[in-house]
Amino acid sequence: EAGVVQSPRYKIIEKKQPVAFWCNPISGHNTLYWYLQNLGQGPELLIRYENEEAVDDSQLPKDRFSAERLKGVDSTLKIQPAELGDSAVYLCASSSPTGTRVVFGPGTRLTVL
Amino acid sequence: RKEVEQDPGPFNVPEGATVAFNCTYSNSASQSFFWYRQDCRKEPKLLMSVYSSGNEDGRFTAQLNRASQYISLLIRDSKLSDSATYLCVVGQGNTPLVFGKGTRLSVIA
Repeated sequence: EAGVVQSPRYKIIEKKQPVAFWCNPISGHNTLYWYLQNLGQGPELLIRYENEEAVDDSQLPKDRFSAERLKGVDSTLKIQPAELGDSAVYLCASSSPTGTRVVFGPGTRLTVL
Repeated sequence: RKEVEQDPGPFNVPEGATVAFNCTYSNSASQSFFWYRQDCRKEPKLLMSVYSSGNEDGRFTAQLNRASQYISLLIRDSKLSDSATYLCVVGQGNTPLVFGKGTRLSVIA
């Protein structure tokens, strides 16, 4: 099966600029996750979707971060405006209703200058 | 106290050695437990779920001690290809919620 697709793979922006990341989960996977991973740390869950509904966004910094999954398939994570501390890898993952495995995408590596 | 704590390592072991990683978690209400493997500059991949009865998958054995809030991973007959960072994770259902920082393993020829 095709894996979780993320784009872009790398992004370099200046602080205060907006940035958006896109994720296409595995076909049939109704649960989608966004994680943030800083260097030397484990991933941190930002938001979890069940279909188009955000069921857990308690860790999403809502002052500058937003996410959407309008049709319950693809998802976009946005940061506006970006800060230096947002430099990290943003990982998307998905899982099926009956599956026990959460599959991660390759991530988007963001550098804020 | 961090929710999931692991020794960051690195653990440098020769091929064929047995190595064990430990992890403690603070939330006694945690329901699910996992070990993920992450290669350098790659995404995490599920290595195995951890069950109260303990479980084994080839050279890998995972144990859970709910009373002590402690999870372990044992790797027998280490291979060069086992070199990676091993992430201890607690979650809910099949959702990995809280990751440890990871333990780095280097298997040396």
